[in-house]
Amino acid sequence: NAGVTQTPKFQVLKTGQSMTLQCAQDMNHEYMSWYRQDPGMGLRLIHYSVGAGITDQGEVPNGYNVSRSTTEDFPLRLLSAAPSQTSVYFCASSSRLGRGSYNEQFFGPGTRLTVL
Amino acid sequence: GNSVTQMEGPVTLSEEAFLTINCTYTATGYPSLFWYVQYPGEGLQLLLKATKADDKGSNKGFEATYRKETTSFHLEKGSVQVSDSAVYFCALTQGGKLIFGQGTELSVKP
Repeated sequence: NAGVTQTPKFQVLKTGQSMTLQCAQDMNHEYMSWYRQDPGMGLRLIHYSVGAGITDQGEVPNGYNVSRSTTEDFPLRLLSAAPSQTSVYFCASSSRLGRGSYNEQFFGPGTRLTVL
Repeated sequence: GNSVTQMEGPVTLSEEAFLTINCTYTATGYPSLFWYVQYPGEGLQLLLKATKADDKGSNKGFEATYRKETTSFHLEKGSVQVSDSAVYFCALTQGGKLIFGQGTELSVKP
């Protein structure tokens, strides 16, 4: 099992450019999520999905879009990058434990994004 | 709303010293509690977890006990090593969403 994979590892964008951060998992997990990590602020939830075709907003969704067309993939799109989106982005996944509850999350290695 | 508060870092210890990183939480209902560790340049790894009151999670010499009466989940290790240098995150989950504390950086000197 590769676990949770993310590409690219590093990316530099100019303000206004768009791009997609890729995330894939091979564990057949129902739940997938995106976080951003900023110094002194821990990790904050951007968007999450409880299954294919279902997505929802987290704590800081503005400026980001997601889709979940398959169980394995959960890409994060920046439509018009801004310097405030400079951060490290982590994707995570977990399996369902029961109705409305999930096991621990497994994290990808992260994407370090710089917006100039 | 739900929240997690950790003691601020950085924490600097000598090898073989005793470690405590405090974590308290605010939540409705009965969340599961986690400690994650992030080594330099890497993603987060689950260190230990507890799913109900009075549960003790343990792994690699680290321990934490889910204390509902004090809403705490403090991380402890009896003798730290240089290889334990990392950032430690306390987190809770309800319905799948993870809510993190701000992280505590630990530096262990030989």
